[in-house]
Amino acid sequence: QVQLAESGGGLVKPGVSLRLSCAASGFSFSDYYMSWIRQAPGKGLEWVSYISTSASMIYHAASVKGRFTISRDNAKNSLYLQMNSLRAEDTALYYCARVYGYRIDYWGQGTQVTVSS
Amino acid sequence: QSALTQPPSASGSPGQPVTISCTGTSSDVGAYNYVSWYQQHPGKAPKLMIYDVSERPSGVPDRFSGSKSGNTASLTVSGLQAEDEADYYCASYAGSNNVIFGGGTKLTVL
Repeated sequence: QVQLAESGGGLVKPGVSLRLSCAASGFSFSDYYMSWIRQAPGKGLEWVSYISTSASMIYHAASVKGRFTISRDNAKNSLYLQMNSLRAEDTALYYCARVYGYRIDYWGQGTQVTVSS
Repeated sequence: QSALTQPPSASGSPGQPVTISCTGTSSDVGAYNYVSWYQQHPGKAPKLMIYDVSERPSGVPDRFSGSKSGNTASLTVSGLQAEDEADYYCASYAGSNNVIFGGGTKLTVL
């Protein structure tokens, strides 16, 4: 079955960097667009970044553009999110998600990122 | 783009129908038939319930249905059950590789 397992979250100070990872299994990873979606405490969902199968197409939300970079390693069935210059407003649960068409058909359980001084 | 507009809460009694609206603009909901709905129970990851406005993934009960009229999409749960109590989010493609979510609706089964 499809499994997405995020890791790399933690408590960090403003301005530092963090790299999230997502290990995918149970499907042909290289055949699917992938995405990162976040949810701030008690808030709704926000589409952060997505990446095409070969990484030829990448999108970042305006709120993270220039600070976050999504990438993937199809040989390792892994998705990444490099987050630089973290801000308090980046505090959220970050979900790794599989994109199919214009929908998310599978979600991971999320990894918590807390930015606080 | 601004988030899609959903009512903060909705409620209904077991067995009754309830409809949750999701209002966007002519640039997102009104422009594309790419509206999806997600159910999220507390502490859990979201689950896809409806995609492409009205398509239901396998395994989702047929009491869940979706529709769209103009700039407003709707999720209807017919025959509410206790396990349907959750937060529901809509999402729509908005062109130029953008997807936006609604603010979420907390559905309570009375």
